[in-house]
Amino acid sequence: KAGVTQTPRYLIKTRGQQVTLSCSPISGHRSVSWYQQTPGQGLQFLFEYFSETQRNKGNFPGRFSGRQFSNSRSEMNVSTLELGDSALYLCASARGLSTKAKNIQYFGAGTRLSVL
Amino acid sequence: DQQVKQNSPSLSVQEGRISILNCDYTNSMFDYFLWYKKYPAEGPTFLISISSIKDKNEDGRFTVFLNKSAKHLSLHIVPSQPGDSAVYFCAATGTTSGTYKYIFGTGTRLKVLA
Repeated sequence: KAGVTQTPRYLIKTRGQQVTLSCSPISGHRSVSWYQQTPGQGLQFLFEYFSETQRNKGNFPGRFSGRQFSNSRSEMNVSTLELGDSALYLCASARGLSTKAKNIQYFGAGTRLSVL
Repeated sequence: DQQVKQNSPSLSVQEGRISILNCDYTNSMFDYFLWYKKYPAEGPTFLISISSIKDKNEDGRFTVFLNKSAKHLSLHIVPSQPGDSAVYFCAATGTTSGTYKYIFGTGTRLKVLA
């Protein structure tokens, strides 16, 4: 069974540009969550999608957005990039909504975004 | 406001000895806790979890302890092996006022010395 796939693995952008990251969940998983990982901050929750609807959202500005398609694949978009957006962006899939108890998340390897 | 804290950024342990990783949380509404392990260039992988109705859960060399009154959980690895060298994240989950939270700590880098 294929794991969670994130593309691309690395990205270099300049300030002001926008970027789109892609995530393909494990087959049969309907929940996709996005996290930002920076040194010293751990994994900061961005948002969660389930059945093409955003179900949970973290404390990030509106420049960060996402969507989920009918096949559960998800994309995350960051507009007007800032230097502070440089981070590892991780996608995680799960069978159900994260509100379900014992909900284990399965992570992809991440996309490392560098903003110059 | 960091609701889940791992106050030790790094830890070094000799092979064969016990590794103890700690995690503190501030919100009593968290009722399910998980530990994940992360190797370089890979995403975190689930390790072990515990519900708030328990105070201990064991899986092979890994045991998680939960002290609800202290809002503290710990992960014990016995015996530690070089392959355990990784970054460990604790996560706390729960619902308050209709809002569900799944919050990770900042991670502890464990190095097991051969």
